[in-house]
Amino acid sequence: NAGVTQTPKFQVLKTGQSMTLQCAQDMNHEYMSWYRQDPGMGLRLIHYSVGAGITDQGEVPNGYNVSRSTTEDFPLRLLSAAPSQTSVYFCASRSRDRVHEQFFGPGTRLTVL
Amino acid sequence: GEDVEQSLFLSVREGDSSVINCTYTDSSSTYLYWYKQEPGAGLQLLTYIFSNMDMKQDQRLTVLLNKKDKHLSLRIADTQTGDSAIYFCAESRYTGGFKTIFGAGTRLFVKA
Repeated sequence: NAGVTQTPKFQVLKTGQSMTLQCAQDMNHEYMSWYRQDPGMGLRLIHYSVGAGITDQGEVPNGYNVSRSTTEDFPLRLLSAAPSQTSVYFCASRSRDRVHEQFFGPGTRLTVL
Repeated sequence: GEDVEQSLFLSVREGDSSVINCTYTDSSSTYLYWYKQEPGAGLQLLTYIFSNMDMKQDQRLTVLLNKKDKHLSLRIADTQTGDSAIYFCAESRYTGGFKTIFGAGTRLFVKA
């Protein structure tokens, strides 16, 4: 099992550009989430999904869109990048049967100039 | 409100015990967690404890939970240089969906 994979590892954008951060998991987990990690702060939830076709907003959803067309994939779209979105982004997944075990991807470090 | 707080830094000597502390505010928390993050990597679940337990031991790791004071601690026995990392405390509760709140992380430095 590859676990949770994320691409790219690093990305630099200019203000106003859009892009998609990819996330995939091969564990057949129902739940997937996107977090951002900023210095001196804990991870904050952006969006999450409890199954294919179902998504919902987390704590800091503004400026981001998600979709869940398959169980495996959960891409995060930045619509119009802003410097405030400079952060490290983590995707995570867990099984509905073991909700306390959340598996994280290696992260995408995004810089918006 | 929902808040998880932990000190930002801890420095110990190799071979000593490390104790990382955390406080949380939500008394309806179901699970409490400790995650480890090494440089350039994602978070790795170290251990977790159900809210109806007060202690859990797993090899060198001991988790203590004081529900009355809403205080969680992680003790690492015989700390090694490989334990140098950021340790995140987190708590979860079920509110229609499963929500996890993370602390800001404690950076552990282990001096040889």
